[in-house]
Amino acid sequence: QQQVKQSPQSLIVQKGGISIINCAYENTAFDYFPWYQQFPGKGPALLIAIRPDVSEKKEGRFTISFNKSAKQFSLHIMDSQPGDSATYFCAASNQAGTALIFGKGTTLSVSS
Amino acid sequence: GAVVSQHPSWVICKSGTSVKIECRSLDFQATTMFWYRQFPKQSLMLMATSNEGSKATYEQGVEKDKFLINHASLTLSTLTVTSAHPEDSSFYICSAPKPRGGPNEQYFGPGTRLTVT
Repeated sequence: QQQVKQSPQSLIVQKGGISIINCAYENTAFDYFPWYQQFPGKGPALLIAIRPDVSEKKEGRFTISFNKSAKQFSLHIMDSQPGDSATYFCAASNQAGTALIFGKGTTLSVSS
Repeated sequence: GAVVSQHPSWVICKSGTSVKIECRSLDFQATTMFWYRQFPKQSLMLMATSNEGSKATYEQGVEKDKFLINHASLTLSTLTVTSAHPEDSSFYICSAPKPRGGPNEQYFGPGTRLTVT
């Protein structure tokens, strides 16, 4: 049973465009929703995270939108750059100290 | 800031041999660490939860006798792949909860690429 569903699998965006990646979850007990960026051969790095008590969080060019009733959250990358080309994973967990459950990932390519 | 390291970053071993991967929290204590496996172009799949001073908890389908986990200190967890086979070739990543961090912020290691020939 896949608890976090991520789409699209791959995404191509022109430089300067907006990249949007979506995730949906099933477990209403989840209370922490991070997004990770991973480059080939490297470990994942935390990009931005949100808790369900807010609907949006913005850090620089990265924004998470959260819809608790729909059990969905998304990552928006504004002014996408070639350096943003990487694989992005959404994740979720339901309490501190537990493992994260990851989506299947989205490979983003930003053309210059 | 806090960092999680892994050693080695890359290892090649022959089929049937064992290989040990270390995961260290460099400037904080971690009573719990997590081990993930990532096959090419796939997501991170949790293998086991490593608990300092007690037995590890394995996810369904992960052979505990094949993937030995030891968490002997508050800064070190090791994963030993015993009798490795080519299908064990993968990217192994550990993580540790950030101390006094957010609800469940985690630090991830840089990963270890295992190739079994």
